[in-house]
Amino acid sequence: DAKTTQPNSMESNEEEPVHLPCNHSTISGTDYIHWYRQLPSQGPEYVIHGLTSNVNNRMASLAIAEDRKSSTLILHRATLRDAAVYYCILYNNAGNMLTFGGGTRLMVKP
Amino acid sequence: SAVISQKPSRDICQRGTSLTIQCQVDSQVTMMFWYRQQPGQSLTLIATANQGSEATYESGFVIDKFPISRPNLTFSTLTVSNMSPEDSSIYLCSALGGASSTDTQYFGPGTRLTVL
Repeated sequence: DAKTTQPNSMESNEEEPVHLPCNHSTISGTDYIHWYRQLPSQGPEYVIHGLTSNVNNRMASLAIAEDRKSSTLILHRATLRDAAVYYCILYNNAGNMLTFGGGTRLMVKP
Repeated sequence: SAVISQKPSRDICQRGTSLTIQCQVDSQVTMMFWYRQQPGQSLTLIATANQGSEATYESGFVIDKFPISRPNLTFSTLTVSNMSPEDSSIYLCSALGGASSTDTQYFGPGTRLTVL
């Protein structure tokens, strides 16, 4: 499985943007980049995914490098409820399931 | 989207006993999975629950220890057998609606198991 590398933890101030980086230098052409997050005491939830182009949804934006070897999840205005572990995962339907790395623990300060 | 419920939400068990965790999805799904999350760790896939056939286990997990059933497209069970304190973890059920690379995987809230 192609692996991802994320910082163990990051801090942000409330109401400020947050950029969560992910390196995936061994990504293959068929791998989609998925982001999930796990709020305290809950199961993971989907955030966003993309293949080559940048993506936006109501939760976040995903910026994908031109060579696809890295990506950045952008939370435009962090709130206290965004404090969670964020997982960057490479996924294709050949594997049929998500393989989780260590993720980034995001702490949001009021 | 799919909503997943798990029962029990938590349990405290004695070593040597077994616990069966139930997972119910509110819609038919193509694939169901069971994950384990040890304290402070990330999620580790235990197995894929296959409807009508034996589950597919990941390396390090065996059927005798973690028997899995999936009698239909919306329900699965995971049994943790002959438990020891090392089995204390959160067990999460997950489901995938389709087989596309863009499909979203949904997760239940987890079952927090403590083995004494």
